[in-house]
Amino acid sequence: AQSVTQPDIHITVSEGASLELRCNYSYGATPYLFWYVQSPGQGLQLLLKYFSGDTLVQGIKGFEAEFKRSQSSFNLRKPSVHWSDAAEYFCAVGEAPNTGNQFYFGTGTSLTVIP
Amino acid sequence: EAQVTQNPRYLITVTGKKLTVTCSQNMNHEYMSWYRQDPGLGLRQIYYSMNVEVTDKGDVPEGYKVSRKEKRNFPLILESPSPNQTSLYFCASKKVSSGANVLTFGAGSRLTVL
Repeated sequence: AQSVTQPDIHITVSEGASLELRCNYSYGATPYLFWYVQSPGQGLQLLLKYFSGDTLVQGIKGFEAEFKRSQSSFNLRKPSVHWSDAAEYFCAVGEAPNTGNQFYFGTGTSLTVIP
Repeated sequence: EAQVTQNPRYLITVTGKKLTVTCSQNMNHEYMSWYRQDPGLGLRQIYYSMNVEVTDKGDVPEGYKVSRKEKRNFPLILESPSPNQTSLYFCASKKVSSGANVLTFGAGSRLTVL
């Protein structure tokens, strides 16, 4: 069965420090992978996505993620965190459009940024 | 502006009083879906629709109904709300095509059932 695991429920980092949020997935085919961010009181905004090609993908707000098939992982990184990055982050796997249209979300990682 | 619009954004109601949360998208998307978000559980799919008059259950459909009479609208209906349906609800949509596989989300509707 398809599933997404975000092992860190909550992470606290200092402003300016680097960040890595972990995501592991279980999916039988080539996955479509996503990271979404949810700021307080807001909807989910797409940070980046991986469909194919270069396994290191760049997103908005200075975020990047690396797809590692051998580890079934799609970790999100940012070299220097800003206070405005404090939010909830969700990793998701999507079915390929020619096989289905479902999405599976992790339980989220809440990021706190301290000055 | 391309967007998914949900209403109401906030609602407090009482057990058993029927309510509808509306969702509308202006992107001509075929696929629409409802999720609920609860602490520690992430987003769980309630219902989804692949196109007009085509709907299907997600992971947690009990206590909810949906309809898709028009392509742009996908309302979520709670016929007899209960306190365990207190949650944050999101509507999302996407095109069903080989190249576009990204969900666009609404801003969310926070529902409290007393």
